Amino acid sequence: DGGITQSPKYLFRKEGQNVTLSCEQNLNHDAMYWYRQDPGQGLRLIYYSQIVNDFQKGDIAEGYSVSREKKESFPLTVTSAQKNPTAFYLCASQSRDRGTSSYEQYFGPGTRLTVT
Amino acid sequence: GESVGLHLPTLSVQEGDNSIINCAYSNSASDYFIWYKQESGKGPQFIIDIRSNMDKRQGQRVTVLLNKTVKHLSLQIAATQPGDSAVYFCAEPNNNDMRFGAGTRLTVKP
Repeated sequence: DGGITQSPKYLFRKEGQNVTLSCEQNLNHDAMYWYRQDPGQGLRLIYYSQIVNDFQKGDIAEGYSVSREKKESFPLTVTSAQKNPTAFYLCASQSRDRGTSSYEQYFGPGTRLTVT
Repeated sequence: GESVGLHLPTLSVQEGDNSIINCAYSNSASDYFIWYKQESGKGPQFIIDIRSNMDKRQGQRVTVLLNKTVKHLSLQIAATQPGDSAVYFCAEPNNNDMRFGAGTRLTVKP
């Protein structure tokens, strides 16, 4: 089955530790995205990547880092510099094929990170 | 700046009734919109999309209406079912990413 996966579903960390969230897709999509969602709020863009070895900051990139060494993978590291890391993190991918008529982003199931 | 927003944060309907979820946008150049459904603890799922050259698009039990004059779109769900309970987001492409509204939480009462 084609899709996008995130692991783990729940993650617990102590304050001051870096933690890396996994995101993998087998949809052959060029673009991948990381969003943060807080209770009762919408999605805020952290980082995105349109192509391998390239990525751009979103609206709330401070305290986060990413890498895009492979087309299929876009891991997100939540560093100790992130002031309020506890949140629901969503990864998405999107086709950049100009021939498609849809701009739909496909989302993973999310990772709920709790930092205490 | 440009944004996509929602009129109401919550909506409660009786099972079997129709639901209408609204969304306003500010960028008059926007030419494409998507509605997503997000169930509790899960990632958003695509419901339906619409391009600006259309006023209406229908799917299975869902209809999206676009009013470009007042920059408003709505999602109508016919015969709302308990499984429709979720948060609904409107979204529009913005340069290289997607802009999402805050969402409306739909609760279906039995």
